[in-house]
Amino acid sequence: EAQVTQNPRYLITVTGKKLTVTCSQNMNHEYMSWYRQDPGLGLRQIYYSMNVEVTDKGDVPEGYKVSRKEKRNFPLILESPSPNQTSLYFCASSPDLPYQPQHFGDGTRLSIL
Amino acid sequence: AQSVSQHNHHVILSEAASLELGCNYSYGGTVNLFWYVQYPGQHLQLLLKYFSGDPLVKGIKGFEAEFIKSKFSFNLRKPSVQWSDTAEYFCAVNATSGGSYIPTFGRGTSLIVHP
Repeated sequence: EAQVTQNPRYLITVTGKKLTVTCSQNMNHEYMSWYRQDPGLGLRQIYYSMNVEVTDKGDVPEGYKVSRKEKRNFPLILESPSPNQTSLYFCASSPDLPYQPQHFGDGTRLSIL
Repeated sequence: AQSVSQHNHHVILSEAASLELGCNYSYGGTVNLFWYVQYPGQHLQLLLKYFSGDPLVKGIKGFEAEFIKSKFSFNLRKPSVQWSDTAEYFCAVNATSGGSYIPTFGRGTSLIVHP
């Protein structure tokens, strides 16, 4: 089954404690991206990747890092999380349009205390 | 950079009613347009997309959208909604040249369908 898998689904943590949200897709898609969803703001892109070792900033990259060492994986790293990063996060992939997600993961709800 | 406006924040309908959700964008160049649906507690799913060609686009689950370039609009329609269409709907746009390739999403329209 074609899917984008994120882990964890839920995480409550404290300010400053580094965390990583993993994302993996099994569709051999070249293009992957991360979004955060906040009430009343829709989705905003954090980072995207066009291929292995090729990543670039989206609209709201501050406080986040990503890496793309393998085609299937695109982890999101919060080096020093802060409460304003409390949000619902989605990883997405696309087979043909680099800047527009077509397959989303189930989401990760992060709460930073 | 482009922007997207979804005028209806909340829509409540009865089953079998017709649906039209508004989406307007601002950008002078060529764009790709999308509608996504997010069912309660789930991830976004692509409903339909417009790249070029026929401005009337048919998507999954009986939805369609019409691109009217002169009005910068891409409204979503369904002739007869069902209770299972209760969800949040997002319009999105990205520029194909000259503007920002980063997709811009609208703030979403919450649709509630009463049985």
